[in-house]
Amino acid sequence: SQTIHQWPATLVQPVGSPLSLECTVEGTSNPNLYWYRQAAGRGLQLLFYSVGIGQISSEVPQNLSASRPQDRQFILSSKKLLLSDSGFYLCAWSPTRGSNSPLHFGNGTRLTVT
Amino acid sequence: GDSVTQMEGPVTLSEEAFLTINCTYTATGYPSLFWYVQYPGEGLQLLLKATKADDKGSNKGFEATYRKETTSFHLEKGSVQVSDSAVYFCALLNSGGYQKVTFGIGTKLQVIP
Repeated sequence: SQTIHQWPATLVQPVGSPLSLECTVEGTSNPNLYWYRQAAGRGLQLLFYSVGIGQISSEVPQNLSASRPQDRQFILSSKKLLLSDSGFYLCAWSPTRGSNSPLHFGNGTRLTVT
Repeated sequence: GDSVTQMEGPVTLSEEAFLTINCTYTATGYPSLFWYVQYPGEGLQLLLKATKADDKGSNKGFEATYRKETTSFHLEKGSVQVSDSAVYFCALLNSGGYQKVTFGIGTKLQVIP
């Protein structure tokens, strides 16, 4: 069966520091991968998605970037964090084939920028 | 573009009460519809889904029917429990070059004993 791992679970970082959040998927090949952010009291915002290695699309311009160095690995990064980057970050995957397949989410990373 | 509208809440109910969380959508074509649940401090879990008009998704006592004529997918449960306290997200999927999922804002449900 497929599983998705996301770490760390919680992170407290000072303003101006770098960020690296990692997500890996097991049990499937060539998945679509996604990064979402959930700010306090707000809904889900799609940040990046990827349909293959090295292929990254950004939904909103911001202080963050994403990379996909391997088929089942998706990394969210920042060179210098802002206070507004605080939030709950969720990685998700979906199969490439199967137009009705839902997204499957990791357990999220709670990021607090101080 | 696609959109999903749901009440933000919080919705507060007593245990064993009947639950309805409304969800309406705007989309081109024939999207698939989903309800996700998020327990405190966790990621989203798929609760149920429906892929075409008049389909009924069900799981753990929750139900939702895909109503194309009213563009709705309301979530219902006959008797809620304290353990159902969570945030519920309605979502739709319109396939493009990737699985483009649009989420509602999420409805917080609090069930009190």
